[in-house]
Amino acid sequence: AQSVSQHNHHVILSEAASLELGCNYSYGGTVNLFWYVQYPGQHLQLLLKYFSGDPLVKGIKGFEAEFIKSKFSFNLRKPSVQWSDTAEYFCAVTGYNTDKLIFGTGTRLQVFP
Amino acid sequence: GAVVSQHPSWVICKSGTSVKIECRSLDFQATTMFWYRQFPKQSLMLMATSNEGSKATYEQGVEKDKFLINHASLTLSTLTVTSAHPEDSSFYICSARDSGNEQYFGPGTRLTVT
Repeated sequence: AQSVSQHNHHVILSEAASLELGCNYSYGGTVNLFWYVQYPGQHLQLLLKYFSGDPLVKGIKGFEAEFIKSKFSFNLRKPSVQWSDTAEYFCAVTGYNTDKLIFGTGTRLQVFP
Repeated sequence: GAVVSQHPSWVICKSGTSVKIECRSLDFQATTMFWYRQFPKQSLMLMATSNEGSKATYEQGVEKDKFLINHASLTLSTLTVTSAHPEDSSFYICSARDSGNEQYFGPGTRLTVT
């Protein structure tokens, strides 16, 4: 079955700490991968996406993610978090020829000053 | 950037009544919109794909007669929850796909059925 797993449900960090959020997927065939962010009280916004090419993808606000095909993973990273990064982060996948997004359960990130 | 709105942002209704939720793409045309449902502390689950001018495509397990979807124009899709029951209480989110195949999400509608 197609699914996305986010193992970290709640992450608490201090400002300037490094961040890595795990995302693993189960999906047959070629995939497109996404990370979305939802700031408190706001709608989902696209952080970054991977369709093809360089497996290291850079997104907005200093975030990046690496697609490791052999591990079925697409982990999100940021070298130094800020208080304003406090939000819910969702990993999602679609197949090559479809735009039906399958979401993970989300990771709540809290950054303390 | 592209903006998608939803109305209302929250609604409380009595069991047995129907509720309509609107999803609008404000500054772009969307031939395809999507409706999701999100339970507390769970992921977004795709309910249906709404295509302008044609019938919606429902995901397995979603009752099409209960969740009526209409996509009458390139900027508006509506989701009507018919004969609502407390178990229909949830957070409903829509997204609209632009010409570049990117999805933009609405802010969501919280439905509470009493």
